[in-house]
Amino acid sequence: ETGVTQTPRHLVMGMTNKKSLKCEQHLGHNAMYWYKQSAKKPLELMFVYNFKEQTENNSVPSRFSPECPNSSHLFLHLHTLQPEDSALYLCASSQGLAGGPHEQYFGPGTRLTVT
Amino acid sequence: AQSVSQHNHHVILSEAASLELGCNYSYGGTVNLFWYVQYPGQHLQLLLKYFSGDPLVKGIKGFEAEFIKSKFSFNLRKPSVQWSDTAEYFCAVIQKDTGRRALTFGSGTRLQVQP
Repeated sequence: ETGVTQTPRHLVMGMTNKKSLKCEQHLGHNAMYWYKQSAKKPLELMFVYNFKEQTENNSVPSRFSPECPNSSHLFLHLHTLQPEDSALYLCASSQGLAGGPHEQYFGPGTRLTVT
Repeated sequence: AQSVSQHNHHVILSEAASLELGCNYSYGGTVNLFWYVQYPGQHLQLLLKYFSGDPLVKGIKGFEAEFIKSKFSFNLRKPSVQWSDTAEYFCAVIQKDTGRRALTFGSGTRLQVQP
């Protein structure tokens, strides 16, 4: 497996459910990111991790809880979501934090539908 | 707050036509600039990037973009499009002087190339 992988690719959950999204990067990168892509809106940054430490939380509601156990894995734990949280959730990684000469590599995304 | 504007939301061209997609950003400091492409059913992929140096950058598949600092622009061009260029194109910016370490995206331009 190469690049950035995400599981599951599709997820349907009720508002009272708890689920987790998983991202894994096979590129030896140190920084990982969660983005949200909603219909007709720009991609929005959610969280940034560098060497497992969270460096940025873009005012994300607490019903989204990230976890980064190591530089290769990133999770997004979901609980009591709202229908407006339905979106494509993209994971990305980069060699170092953006701002240096590092490009971000994206995974295929998880299409989340909250019913 | 930083914003990235892509004024063309949907562009339809015939094969062999020339392409120019506009991208403007609002930040006045030092920036890194990117164009990403998302082909139908595929990941976001980096098309080209500008960090410093020659403001005319060349990317994959015959694309190029020109950074014009005075106009806060980073327009994407291709002299002759192909049907396989049908995709969604996203401009993205990183503000280098701030603490922000992730991409700010435009809303995307959907390009449809007709054979």
